[in-house]
Formats: sequence, structure tokens, C-alpha cells
Amino acid sequence: DGGITQSPKYLFRKEGQNVTLSCEQNLNHDAMYWYRQDPGQGLRLIYYSQIVNDFQKGDIAEGYSVSREKKESFPLTVTSAQKNPTAFYLCASSAHSGLAYGYTFGSGTRLTVV
Amino acid sequence: AQKVTQAQTEISVVEKEDVTLDCVYETRDTTYYLFWYKQPPSGELVFLIRRNSFDEQNEISGRYSWNFQKSTSSFNFTITASQVVDSAVYFCALSGFGSSNTGKLIFGQGTTLQVKP
Repeated sequence: DGGITQSPKYLFRKEGQNVTLSCEQNLNHDAMYWYRQDPGQGLRLIYYSQIVNDFQKGDIAEGYSVSREKKESFPLTVTSAQKNPTAFYLCASSAHSGLAYGYTFGSGTRLTVV
Repeated sequence: AQKVTQAQTEISVVEKEDVTLDCVYETRDTTYYLFWYKQPPSGELVFLIRRNSFDEQNEISGRYSWNFQKSTSSFNFTITASQVVDSAVYFCALSGFGSSNTGKLIFGQGTTLQVKP
């Protein structure tokens, strides 16, 4: 079945550590997105990529980094520069890079700083 | 700037009651898409509806209905005869359209709906 796989489901990070969240899709979608969800704030865009080897900052990119070396994969690294990383992270992909059409979301990764 | 406002943070109803979730949006685009998503406790966002700005017809799908009013920039969602399984967080979202659009979604803050038996 086609879809988006995010791993791990739960992740614990110590202060000062970098961690990488995985996002893989087998939908042959061009565009991929990372959103952060905090209680009462909805979802906010961190980074997005419309094509392989290219990506752009979203609204809250500071403290995060991404890569898009393969069409299927869009990993997100939460660096030690991110001051408040505890949140729920959702990855999404879209069939058409210029349209929010056929959006599919993963099941999310819950990151907690310990 | 684009913005989506869901003024209702939490709503609690008793099963079989009707409930309306409000969504107001702001955009300078003449063409755009509006969406509703459901987020159950599992966390994954479930797509409910997409509406483009040219189509102001209201839509009904089973117990769900949507009222799109361009004049008031609103896209409200009504659940008729609510059920416990409707308990979730509901998000309204907006996206632009056209060659300059990046396909990103602008989300509202979400409305938590609790349906009690």
C-alpha cells in the first residue's frame, strides 16, 4: 500500500543532542513537507521540498535542517540550536509541487527532550 | 498574508447533537483551496474535504456538511447527529494556487471536539 512512513513514533532527546526524524514515501510524490504541531497552535511549516536536491525554509526553520537526496526520502534533523524541540512532528507529501493537491500525511513522531 | 482562524478551541457536545466548527480565513489570492482535516488520538491527519474558491456550492457527505461563504471568508463544518467516534481535533487549512504557489498549507489552530455518550 502506498503511503508515508515516519519513524520512530516516539523519540527522546537529551539536551544538546541532534536527532533525525525519518520520513519515507512510496507515492511517487514530488513535494514533501515537515510540520510541527504544538498544543493550541495548529501545524506550522518547518521546511519543504518541491524537487530532489532542493528545499526551502518554512515559517519556523531555525534549529532544523533537512536533505532531499532521494525523491522518496525527506529526513528532518532537530539540532541543538532548537531551543524548544518538544513537539509532534508530521511529514506530508503532495502529488503536485505547486498545489496542495493529494496531500498525504504520515502518522507523526512525538519528540520529547529529557 | 494568509491566515486561518478557528476561534473555538474546544467544543463538548452530547452524542446525537449537531455541532458546527467555525473557520475564517484571510488571503489576497483570488484563487485558493480550503481544506478540513480530522486528527484522531492516533495523530495522523485524515483528509475530509477540499474546496476551491471558484466552487461555492455547499457539500454534504453523510453526516458531514460544509458551508463555504466567500463573502464572509468562512468555511464552516457541521456534523449532524454527532457520535463518540467524531471526537478528535479538527483543522481548517488554506493553500494558494498557481505557478507561484508552493503547495504549503496554512493551518488554523484546531478545534478539539469531544462527543460524550
